[in-house]
Amino acid sequence: AQRVTQPEKLLSVFKGAPVELKCNYSYSGSPELFWYVQYSRQRLQLLLRHISRESIKGFTADLNKGETSFHLKKPFAQEEDSAMYYCALHKAGGTSYGKLTFGQGTILTVHP
Amino acid sequence: GAGVSQTPSNKVTEKGKYVELRCDPISGHTALYWYRQSLGQGPEFLIYFQGTGAADDSGLPNDRFFAVRPEGSVSTLKIQRTERGDSAVYLCASSLWGANTGELFFGEGSRLTVL
Repeated sequence: AQRVTQPEKLLSVFKGAPVELKCNYSYSGSPELFWYVQYSRQRLQLLLRHISRESIKGFTADLNKGETSFHLKKPFAQEEDSAMYYCALHKAGGTSYGKLTFGQGTILTVHP
Repeated sequence: GAGVSQTPSNKVTEKGKYVELRCDPISGHTALYWYRQSLGQGPEFLIYFQGTGAADDSGLPNDRFFAVRPEGSVSTLKIQRTERGDSAVYLCASSLWGANTGELFFGEGSRLTVL
């Protein structure tokens, strides 16, 4: 069975500092990886997905199949980045659309 | 509506009681999902529907949990003989079938507390 691990429950940085939220996964097949974010008093929403290779709100994430990682990075953190971040895995192919396996989440706090 | 709507937002019940949680997906979204989020954990998959039928219910923890979507739109998650361990936030999400795989649009959740 697949598993997603986010080793840090809490992560604190100062505004303008680089930030990296770690995500490791275990899955024998070809996964699709996502980062979801939940800002205070808002609903869970998609931040970015690895297949798009896009940068959203300054965040990027690269899928490293050798290290089975999908770390989320931003070179200069902003206070508005403070939120709960979840890494999620989807098994590519098949009929399991939308069946995601989530990590436990990392609370990011960006201090002024 | 503009987004996925879930009711009630909060439900407090006593052990052994029956509970229904409702989800109204985004109009036109044919796929609907239920997830459960316990305190300190990420969301865990329960069941998903394509149209009216449950395409995958492998995440339902036991036969006390049941979900329906009779007309392919609104869905109801039903929990019989509730237990304290059922206390969690129940999240509903919807998406267009086959499009943007993995992009789910979540509701605000229904927080269930079983005393």
